[in-house]
Amino acid sequence: AQSVTQPDIHITVSEGASLELRCNYSYGATPYLFWYVQSPGQGLQLLLKYFSGDTLVQGIKGFEAEFKRSQSSFNLRKPSVHWSDAAEYFCAVARGNNDMRFGAGTRLTVKP
Amino acid sequence: DGGITQSPKYLFRKEGQNVTLSCEQNLNHDAMYWYRQDPGQGLRLIYYSQIVNDFQKGDIAEGYSVSREKKESFPLTVTSAQKNPTAFYLCASSKRGMDYGYTFGSGTRLTVV
Repeated sequence: AQSVTQPDIHITVSEGASLELRCNYSYGATPYLFWYVQSPGQGLQLLLKYFSGDTLVQGIKGFEAEFKRSQSSFNLRKPSVHWSDAAEYFCAVARGNNDMRFGAGTRLTVKP
Repeated sequence: DGGITQSPKYLFRKEGQNVTLSCEQNLNHDAMYWYRQDPGQGLRLIYYSQIVNDFQKGDIAEGYSVSREKKESFPLTVTSAQKNPTAFYLCASSKRGMDYGYTFGSGTRLTVV
């Protein structure tokens, strides 16, 4: 069963515009949720994570994400995108120890 | 600084050959993982290890083998039984517990020629 869905394969935004990347998960228990970023030819870097508490979490590079249990979503946002944010973004859910499931990724292109 | 080192960055293999990808970490993490990444498919788990001398198959273990003789090292062998080995391979490590994220290496791109 699909655990993590990223509906958008590719998104293009203008530099300075706001960004929202969507992520939906399917998991019965309280999820441990993560967002990672990957530059071309590189490994993944952890942007932020959520497992309890405030549903709005802040991460590195000015990113934030909001957990909405009623919508099974964990969308990533940034108020103003920079050209250096162009990369691929992966949402992930930890279903148990050593069982991290990744979405298929969303590629972000930033227009000058 | 602590981190994960994968080597080599690029690897070419002839059909029928086994090849070993290296992964070393100095983060003192207990768990280590190998993922395969193909375009449009996200990351798929090949093998993982929680402690030395123990490892478990992931979703796509066929045609791969691993060892965990030291805490710091988790090499992956791509055997000739793997029918479509051309891919980007990522190694990761983590502390125990679901609230820790993974730390990833920079990957090895394997191409069969």
